[in-house]
Amino acid sequence: SSELTQDPAVSVALGQTVRITCQGDSLRRYSPGWYQQKPGQAPVFVIYGKNNRPSEIPDRFSGSWSGDTASLTITGAQAEDEADYYCNSRDSSVNHPRVVFGGGTKLTVL
Amino acid sequence: EVKLLESGGGLVQPGGSLRLSCVSSGISFSSYAMNWVRQAPGKGPEWVAVISGSGDSTYYADSVKGRFSISRDNSKSTLYLQMNSLRDEDTAVYYCAKPLFLGATEYYFDLWGQGALVTVSS
Repeated sequence: SSELTQDPAVSVALGQTVRITCQGDSLRRYSPGWYQQKPGQAPVFVIYGKNNRPSEIPDRFSGSWSGDTASLTITGAQAEDEADYYCNSRDSSVNHPRVVFGGGTKLTVL
Repeated sequence: EVKLLESGGGLVQPGGSLRLSCVSSGISFSSYAMNWVRQAPGKGPEWVAVISGSGDSTYYADSVKGRFSISRDNSKSTLYLQMNSLRDEDTAVYYCAKPLFLGATEYYFDLWGQGALVTVSS
């Protein structure tokens, strides 16, 4: 099955810009989704496709996607952005609507 | 209010069974394929299963195929997950998740329930 690889942890100074990446063969065929998860809470959908954002998500969140790599960028990180971030897509290795998730990136805002 | 609410989690012994429910409100439930996604402690989410809006088509992760069964009752706007032959590694928070777009192959999950904890232990 396809896998999505993320850096386990990233840190950013308050107000600075941070990029979280996601890499995998399935991204060559299927666009990524991105989710934010805070401790004890369900994931929240933040970005989909190349750079589409649900209306309730702040515009400091943006996305990009090319080839086998997708990125989530937070411009001007806030303390409340400290969370785990996950990417997902479809599994391109099978003819089956299997969904794959990355292992997650823990973002620390310093 | 648009929401999903899971119930039915709990402690079960290895080899046992449990049925989860997910009641939806505020959405056109029958229009959407619905998914179960689980998350083991300290791990990332793992997709478990999907069922089409009509209930005619179902698909499962290899890790649960043959043991879990997804179903739905559109008259009650409710999704189910019947879990049999449970194993220690099935211990996780189980979420129901709605896709952003229509279609059984959609994977942008824009609405999640609060989760139901399933603990498999003797």
